[in-house]
Amino acid sequence: AQTVTQSQPEMSVQEAETVTLSCTYDTSESDYYLFWYKQPPSRQMILVIRQEAYKQQNATENRFSVNFQKAAKSFSLKISDSQLGDAAMYFCAYTNAGNNRKLIWGLGTSLAVNP
Amino acid sequence: DTGVSQDPRHKITKRGQNVTFRCDPISEHNRLYWYRQTLGQGPEFLTYFQNEAQLEKSRLLSDRFSAERPKGSFSTLEIQRTEQGDSAMYLCASSPDLGRYEQYFGPGTRLTVT
Repeated sequence: AQTVTQSQPEMSVQEAETVTLSCTYDTSESDYYLFWYKQPPSRQMILVIRQEAYKQQNATENRFSVNFQKAAKSFSLKISDSQLGDAAMYFCAYTNAGNNRKLIWGLGTSLAVNP
Repeated sequence: DTGVSQDPRHKITKRGQNVTFRCDPISEHNRLYWYRQTLGQGPEFLTYFQNEAQLEKSRLLSDRFSAERPKGSFSTLEIQRTEQGDSAMYLCASSPDLGRYEQYFGPGTRLTVT
């Protein structure tokens, strides 16, 4: 069975600094997708960034980028120039390329941004 | 595109009562998912629809839970004879059939069973 592990329950960063959130996963599939979702205190889940397993190039979305290490089954999120609005729970999620595409989630990392 | 909506946002009920939640997906999204999230946890998959067909149900979904998606549009999730352990946030998400596999979430329905 596929699993997703986030080993950092809480992280903090100073405003304008850079922080990296860790995620590892376990799968025997070769074709899959990985996501980082953000859940602010209002609790609506928002997609931050996605990575296709078949792509070697790491995904980037503005201040957010990933370090995807397929062999190590590692998928970390880097947030540059952190802003107060980045404070939230961050979840790493996995889905295979099969029919149901259900998301399998980590436990999340609570990120605090200090002014 | 107004996003995924869920109703109600909050529901407080007494143990043993039945509750029903509604989810309206993004129009033209064929796939609809229900997840449950308890405090301090990541979401857990409950069930999945492709159009009106319910194609997968998690073992978490006991026989007290039922979900429908008539005509492949909105979906309802009903919990019968609620228990305190059912207290959670119920999240709905939708996704197009063709696309990049990401799911778009609604604001959730927070259920409290007293």
